Amino acid sequence: SQQGEEDPQALSIQEGENATMNCSYKTSINNLQWYRQNSGRGLVHLILIRSNEREKHSGRLRVTLDTSKKSSSLLITASRAADTASYFCARRPSNTGKLIFGQGTTLQVKP
Amino acid sequence: DTAVSQTPKYLVTQMGNDKSIKCEQNLGHDTMYWYKQDSKKFLKIMFSYNNKELIINETVPNRFSPKSPDKAHLNLHINSLELGDSAVYFCASSRAQGDTIYFGEGSWLTVV
Repeated sequence: SQQGEEDPQALSIQEGENATMNCSYKTSINNLQWYRQNSGRGLVHLILIRSNEREKHSGRLRVTLDTSKKSSSLLITASRAADTASYFCARRPSNTGKLIFGQGTTLQVKP
Repeated sequence: DTAVSQTPKYLVTQMGNDKSIKCEQNLGHDTMYWYKQDSKKFLKIMFSYNNKELIINETVPNRFSPKSPDKAHLNLHINSLELGDSAVYFCASSRAQGDTIYFGEGSWLTVV
């Protein structure tokens, strides 16, 4: 399957803790993107990392990409209750313009 | 201003009916999409249009027919609705294929 996997499927942490979500894929990629979806809402783009990049930061978010392991991780530092949402990675394979989404990680941050 | 807007947000209809979902984007993007999200949150692309031209048509039943009157609009018409069509349908757009995607708020379709 092209979808790859996200891990864990669900994560529950206390406010202030860090949250790490992982994404693995099977084919070579052009870029990988992370999105966030609040309950009952559409997806919102967080970060795009290109295949020649290893790490990107945006505020409390840090994304890493290891193309040799075909994996990426999203780290949210000092989490807040408002970070509660589902987080999706989307991969753009090298040979197509399609973005392929995983099933997401559901993050719950308890106040 | 809403970037990608789709209507209706909620739709409850009986099996066998025909329904449409409309979508408009004011971002000036060339590419528009329809995605389907099932009850397990799995998000799958259905169609992609680039400048009104169909680019991606995943294995979607031909009961689903997209229509793009211009590059700012991509509507989805569904004939003979089935129970399994119940899902959330997201319209989205991007500057080009594979770029950052901007999603609408979703249309919750329930077929009874």
